[in-house]
Amino acid sequence: QKEVEQDPGPLSVPEGAIVSLNCTYSNSAFQYFMWYRQYSRKGPELLMYTYSSGNKEDGRFTAQVDKSSKYISLFIRDSQPSDSATYLCAMSEGGKLIFGQGTELSVKP
Amino acid sequence: GAVVSQHPSRVICKSGTSVKIECRSLDFQATTMFWYRQFPKQSLMLMATSNEGSKATYEQGVEKDKFLINHASLTLSTLTVTSAHPEDSSFYICSAEPLSGTSGRSSYEQYFGPGTRLTVT
Repeated sequence: QKEVEQDPGPLSVPEGAIVSLNCTYSNSAFQYFMWYRQYSRKGPELLMYTYSSGNKEDGRFTAQVDKSSKYISLFIRDSQPSDSATYLCAMSEGGKLIFGQGTELSVKP
Repeated sequence: GAVVSQHPSRVICKSGTSVKIECRSLDFQATTMFWYRQFPKQSLMLMATSNEGSKATYEQGVEKDKFLINHASLTLSTLTVTSAHPEDSSFYICSAEPLSGTSGRSSYEQYFGPGTRLTVT
């Protein structure tokens, strides 16, 4: 079993839809949770960063962490074609990031 | 802020030659830099952790004599792929962790470079 599980998709939604992306993990020691966006042939871009459990909102993006369930989510409201990318969750253990496989998202106009 | 650059962005080399990739943090200092490789449609796999002024720490299964890492300053780390072979062809990405206290950011955030696509023929 991988430490971090993420459905690779692909996920296709119409423009304006609410997108829900999720990851589960097995290591209860993880304290820092991140979401990265990666466009094709580019490096990942940090979107959201959360410490421990709770919610964090930044514009159209909301990150949720439920440590009791070992489950994290990223919600994208009013999705746009420019949101089409691969979204990677990552968790930090002693400064090292453990990545999920990434979910490929396509937002259709 | 938090910009990381990589050079070159793309390189093609012949089997048996060595290739050096540079990773620079442009607007912050980083005591720790990380090197990843990524295969198509797959996630990032950590290769090694590089600390300024000390030897890199390699992940299990990564050959340290093949992937030479040097972290000479707080803004520069280099990865040299020695005696490259076609199976080394991949997307190599570095990241930098800001020095806590100098940028105000948490030390657990990593900022990634744009990646270097290596093709070995």
